[in-house]
Amino acid sequence: AQTVTQSQPEMSVQEAETVTLSCTYDTSESDYYLFWYKQPPSRQMILVIRQEAYKQQNATENRFSVNFQKAAKSFSLKISDSQLGDAAMYFCAYRSAQDDKIIFGKGTRLHILP
Amino acid sequence: DGGITQSPKYLFRKEGQNVTLSCEQNLNHDAMYWYRQDPGQGLRLIYYSQIVNDFQKGDIAEGYSVSREKKESFPLTVTSAQKNPTAFYLCASSQIRTGWSYEQYFGPGTRLTVT
Repeated sequence: AQTVTQSQPEMSVQEAETVTLSCTYDTSESDYYLFWYKQPPSRQMILVIRQEAYKQQNATENRFSVNFQKAAKSFSLKISDSQLGDAAMYFCAYRSAQDDKIIFGKGTRLHILP
Repeated sequence: DGGITQSPKYLFRKEGQNVTLSCEQNLNHDAMYWYRQDPGQGLRLIYYSQIVNDFQKGDIAEGYSVSREKKESFPLTVTSAQKNPTAFYLCASSQIRTGWSYEQYFGPGTRLTVT
């Protein structure tokens, strides 16, 4: 069975600095998708970024980018120029190309220090 | 605006009572999902449905039931058999198509407290 591991329960970063959230996953499949979701205090889940496993290029969305290492099964999220609004729980998630279910990690709570 | 609605936002029940959580979507998505979120546990899948009148158990289906009579609606019933029902419940939906990286869209959630 696939698993997703986020080893950092909490992290803090100074406003305007850069922070990287770690995620590793375990799968025997070669075709899958990876996601980072953000859950702010409102608890509304918001998609931050997605990565298709068949793409070698790392996904980027404005200040958010990923470091996708397929062989290492690693999918970290980098947030540049951190803003107060980035404070949230961040969930790494995996979806097999053969399935419609998404498997979530346990989350990393990110604090932004003014 | 297209989206997913869940009602109510907060729900209180006495132990031993069944309670139904509402989830409606107007995104024309085929698949719908129910998750339970507890502190430190991430999101755990309760049930999901890929088509009307069909649904599958997720990882923690015991004590829960669902129905999918309409494409837009996927209500979740928390039965008295659920041993620890107090939690935050999230509904989600997505398109489904093999080979496409469709993400799931989430509703605002319902906080259920059972005493």
